[in-house]
Amino acid sequence: KNEVEQSPQNLTAQEGEFITINCSYSVGISALHWLQQHPGGGIVSLFMLSSGKKKHGRLIATINIQEKHSSLHITASHPRDSAVYICAVKLGNQFYFGTGTSLTVIP
Amino acid sequence: NAGVMQNPRHLVRRRGQEARLRCSPMKGHSHVYWYRQLPEEGLKFMVYLQKENIIDESGMPKERFSAEFPKEGPSILRIQQVVRGDSAAYFCASSLNHASWRMNTEAFFGQGTRLTVV
Repeated sequence: KNEVEQSPQNLTAQEGEFITINCSYSVGISALHWLQQHPGGGIVSLFMLSSGKKKHGRLIATINIQEKHSSLHITASHPRDSAVYICAVKLGNQFYFGTGTSLTVIP
Repeated sequence: NAGVMQNPRHLVRRRGQEARLRCSPMKGHSHVYWYRQLPEEGLKFMVYLQKENIIDESGMPKERFSAEFPKEGPSILRIQQVVRGDSAAYFCASSLNHASWRMNTEAFFGQGTRLTVV
């Protein structure tokens, strides 16, 4: 069983829709990251969370430490948001990654 | 300040050849982490290096794979006698020091090297 589980695996949305991606983890962590990976491109860190909620533009990330759960929300989605979103948790030296959620936003 | 630089971006090797993947960390960063992303799978930790030292190689296969981070120059991930199953994207990340890696607000990743073994 993977230490980090994401859902959904694939998501297609119409432009303008509100999007939620979920991440559950099974280990005690020091921090959780949301990463964005574009097709053929590298990885960009969107957020690092250890508690509560963070907002950056149209992106909002929340974490519930007790429930070992985090969500990434995208408001007013746009085709340029199309990417793979990866949840990663830090434990010691290592990151443990979810398999990613592939988001496609249709104009 | 350039980000983490990896090269080449794409590498094609025949079975049995050697693959050398390079990672130049961000300026001032002395800690490097290598990750592998197999097709349809998530990223997996391979190895953590400081300058001239391997700190944690628990995620790296025992045979054919090696990594180094010399005093001068980039970190190198070396795969000898490549096989088809080595085809993957290999990502490098860097941090200023390990404390900042554990607590850092950002994870600095490179663009990755996509290795294809034919």
